[in-house]
Amino acid sequence: DAEITQSPRHKITETGRQVTLACHQTWNHNNMFWYRQDLGHGLRLIHYSYGVHDTNKGEVSDGYSVSRSNTEDLPLTLESAASSQTSVYFCASSDRKETQYFGPGTRLLVL
Amino acid sequence: GENVEQHPSTLSVQEGDSAVIKCTYSDSASNYFPWYKQELGKRPQLIIDIRSNVGEKKDQRIAVTLNKTAKHFSLHITETQPEDSAVYFCAASGSSNTGKLIFGQGTTLQVKP
Repeated sequence: DAEITQSPRHKITETGRQVTLACHQTWNHNNMFWYRQDLGHGLRLIHYSYGVHDTNKGEVSDGYSVSRSNTEDLPLTLESAASSQTSVYFCASSDRKETQYFGPGTRLLVL
Repeated sequence: GENVEQHPSTLSVQEGDSAVIKCTYSDSASNYFPWYKQELGKRPQLIIDIRSNVGEKKDQRIAVTLNKTAKHFSLHITETQPEDSAVYFCAASGSSNTGKLIFGQGTTLQVKP
């Protein structure tokens, strides 16, 4: 069955380190999104992509980057992890009908 | 900018009662309104959605209503059950059919047995 996966599911890192979170979908969706979820803030959009080689900044993009080299993957990189980036990260994908399907999430702790 | 306000932030009901969650959106060009349910430690999952050409949609105990003039939409859950306890998020599509969704802050629903 088609699905969307994220890895790792849990990650502990130190401030200043570079971290990459993986997102992989097998629906062949063009649109992919990265969100962070924190208590009291709901789901906030970090970056998104409408297709290969397309990337766009969301509302909380500072300190994060993405690249889209194929349809299936949209990795999220924290260039230099900060404690403020401790969060739960969700990847999502959608087709033209706009319904977004979420991955299982990655819990990131930055010490 | 684009914004979705969701109320209440917490809601507690007795099993069997109805629950209503309301959202207001700012962008009059929004035309797609999904609702997601997120159980503790799980991913958000779509439970129902509605498009702007429809005023109401039902799926068993869940219904969504849309008032485009007032720019608000609501989720109605009837005959609530303990397994309905979760965080519910509303969302509205961004303008210009960008595929983006603007999410509300979430409502924590507790159904007491």
